[in-house]
Amino acid sequence: NAGVMQNPRHLVRRRGQEARLRCSPMKGHSHVYWYRQLPEEGLKFMVYLQKENIIDESGMPKERFSAEFPKEGPSILRIQQVVRGDSAAYFCASSPLAAGQTTDTQYFGPGTRLTVL
Amino acid sequence: KNQVEQSPQSLIILEGKNCTLQCNYTVSPFSNLRWYKQDTGRGPVSLTIMTFSENTKSNGRYTATLDADTKQSSLHITASQLSDSASYICVVRSNSGYSTLTFGKGTMLLVSP
Repeated sequence: NAGVMQNPRHLVRRRGQEARLRCSPMKGHSHVYWYRQLPEEGLKFMVYLQKENIIDESGMPKERFSAEFPKEGPSILRIQQVVRGDSAAYFCASSPLAAGQTTDTQYFGPGTRLTVL
Repeated sequence: KNQVEQSPQSLIILEGKNCTLQCNYTVSPFSNLRWYKQDTGRGPVSLTIMTFSENTKSNGRYTATLDADTKQSSLHITASQLSDSASYICVVRSNSGYSTLTFGKGTMLLVSP
């Protein structure tokens, strides 16, 4: 059973371009989370999705950021018109259990490091 | 405001020695506390999860403790190995909201030969 896969591992974009980050959860996991980690900072929650549904997007900026988890295929975190402040490591995690269950262990991917020039 | 504070920020120890990392939190209402290990350039990997009623939990050479009254947790590493060099992150889940996890900034541990 492969772990959580993220690609690309490194992404370089110029200001104003779009960034698309992909996350394939572990087999059998239908719950996906996206986190952002700025240098010298802890991970910050962005969005929680189940298949075809956004459950909680309270940590995601209202503009330029969107996420989806279609019935087929990976979860996508999309950042439009990137700015330098978007440079960070973006981690995806998956879980077989719904959020809020006491021991809903989240399994993290290796992350995508986005650099905006 | 929910917060998780970890200390020390960084730590260097000799291979074979023990060490203890600290975590203080102000997350409420409390659900559970997790310790993760994050190798450089990798995603975090879960070490332990403890609920309100658990005082201690071990995973090999890692032992986590929880004092829910003082809102403190510690992670003790025994007989350290070079591969223990990583960032150790304390994460606290709140009972409010679907996905309220508050992450500490981590303690960067370097085990030196």
